[in-house]
Amino acid sequence: AQTVTQSQPEMSVQEAETVTLSCTYDTSENNYYLFWYKQPPSRQMILVIRQEAYKQQNATENRFSVNFQKAAKSFSLKISDSQLGDTAMYFCAFRYSGGGADGLTFGKGTHLIIQP
Amino acid sequence: DAGITQSPRYKITETGRQVTLMCHQTWSHSYMFWYRQDLGHGLRLIYYSAAADITDKGEVPDGYVVSRSKTENFPLTLESATRSQTSVYFCASSEQALLGYEQYFGPGTRLTVT
Repeated sequence: AQTVTQSQPEMSVQEAETVTLSCTYDTSENNYYLFWYKQPPSRQMILVIRQEAYKQQNATENRFSVNFQKAAKSFSLKISDSQLGDTAMYFCAFRYSGGGADGLTFGKGTHLIIQP
Repeated sequence: DAGITQSPRYKITETGRQVTLMCHQTWSHSYMFWYRQDLGHGLRLIYYSAAADITDKGEVPDGYVVSRSKTENFPLTLESATRSQTSVYFCASSEQALLGYEQYFGPGTRLTVT
């Protein structure tokens, strides 16, 4: 079974700074997807960014980018020019690329606080 | 309403009672999921369904029952609620056409068992 580890329970940075959230995972599979989800106080789960394991290029979505190191099984999220609205829980998640019925395996989350 | 909805949003029940959490999606997605979120655990998969009348257990299925008679509905039943089932429950749906089988989540149901 795969596992996802987020080693930073909480982080706090000043507005406009850059912050990196760490995620490592363990799997014996070669083809899979990785995701970062954001959960603001509203509790809604919002997809931030996804990465296909077969792609070497790191995914980018506006201020959000990842550093995907497949050999090291590492998948960190970088948030540039952080904003107050980025305050939320962030979850790293993994799923196999086999069938669509495979659920997501989540890390325990990192609580990110953006200070004004 | 378009999208994925859950009802009720909040529920308080007593130990031993049966309670059903509803999930409805309007996209006709084939795949549906139930997760529970507990402090210190992230989200964990309870049950999933690949299509109507096809369901299977996830990581933490004990104490839960699901059914899926229609593609758009995926109710989760706690047959005899226990305090350890106090949690926030999320329903999600997905489809093969979505990149990476991206899952769309409902707003969650906060369940308290007293």
